[in-house]
Parts: sequence; C-alpha cells; structure tokens
Amino acid sequence: AQSVTQLGSHVSVSEGALVLLRCNYSSSVPPYLFWYVQYPNQGLQLLLKYTTGATLVKGINGFEAEFKKSETSFHLTKPSAHMSDAAEYFCAVTFSGAGSYQLTFGKGTKLSVIP
Amino acid sequence: GAVVSQHPSRVICKSGTSVKIECRSLDFQATTMFWYRQFPKQSLMLMATSNEGSKATYEQGVEKDKFLINHASLTLSTLTVTSAHPEDSSFYICSAKASGVRRETQYFGPGTRLLVL
Repeated sequence: AQSVTQLGSHVSVSEGALVLLRCNYSSSVPPYLFWYVQYPNQGLQLLLKYTTGATLVKGINGFEAEFKKSETSFHLTKPSAHMSDAAEYFCAVTFSGAGSYQLTFGKGTKLSVIP
Repeated sequence: GAVVSQHPSRVICKSGTSVKIECRSLDFQATTMFWYRQFPKQSLMLMATSNEGSKATYEQGVEKDKFLINHASLTLSTLTVTSAHPEDSSFYICSAKASGVRRETQYFGPGTRLLVL
C-alpha cells in the first residue's frame, strides 16, 4: 500500500523567503509523484510531477521538487515566496501498477505568506 | 491544454431532491474520470473511478445508488446525487486523465460546491 505524509499542516513564510513544503511517501514500487496547489473554492492545479528521469523537477510559478529515493521524499521548494503563493498544497503518489493510476493524497499543507 | 470544466460551480437544493454535476474534458479525451469529495480543511477523498463506457468503481463506503456516475463519452462524466440530504453538502471535484503519454496525470476540474438545505 502506498501513503503520503506531509509534515506540517500549516507553514508560514515571509514574502521573499524560501518556501519548503515537505512530502514523504511510502511505496513498494517506483512511484509517480505530484504536487498540486488549491486556491480557495477552486479545484487542484498541477504544479509539477515526477515520473522517471531527472530527479529535480521544475514546475510552474517557480516551484521545483526533488525526488530522493533514499529518503523517500519529494519536497517542494521555491526560492522566494510571493503573496500569490498563499494556498493549500497537496502531495500525491501513484504508480504504474495502480488501477487507473489512482492517486493517494497527503493531508495538505496550507501555506501562508506574510507581507 | 488539459482543461477540465465542471458545471455547476455552486448549487443549492432542497433536501430530497437530486442534483447532477457535469465534468467535461475540454481539449483531450478522458478515458478515465475520477470523482472526489472534499470536506472543509481536509484532503480529497476518492469516491469513484469511471471508465468510458463501463460502470464506475466505487470506493468502500460510498453508496453507488446514492451517487450515480455516468461516463457516457470520452469527454463527459456526470455525478448525480440522488435524494440529497444536508450531510451530502460538500465540495465535489472531478478529475480526468487521458491514455497515452500523460496517462499517469490527473487534471482537475474547478469543483462544485453543493449545499443541501
């Protein structure tokens, strides 16, 4: 069975500061990993994903994440936070053997950006 | 590309009535669509998986007779909440995925806020 743990349900950073949102996964087979962002009363928008190949993945809005197999992690980072980054962020995992590539989501991390 | 729409965005209905929510993939053919439910300040809970032309697969604890899913075409899936009750009030989100090179990626709709009075 696969699972996702997002450390910290709420993270606050100052505008311009580094953003680090943590995600650890558990999977017995090579995972596909995703980060989604959700703004209030909206659906989820794909930020980035890792499937195979380069372990450092760049996404939209200046975000990137690095797949570290040895640490079973897929942390999301952004060098400089912007007010518009304030949202809920979800890490998710699936794998090629999963029926229809069903996603398993973490519980989410709410990012607040302080002016 | 990979845009998914949902309609309506918000709906208020009386207890006992049925509500239909549409999920459309606008620029790709969705071989599989997923329906999720999200409670306030919580993550997404998968309700069911639907493949075009076949019956939906429901997650444990989800009543298939209450939450009717139809995936009649490669661009449209519908979720009907039958005989809605206040406890069905929630945020419903659909997602869609294609076959082929992006087959592992789900693209999400904007969600539908359902309020049952």
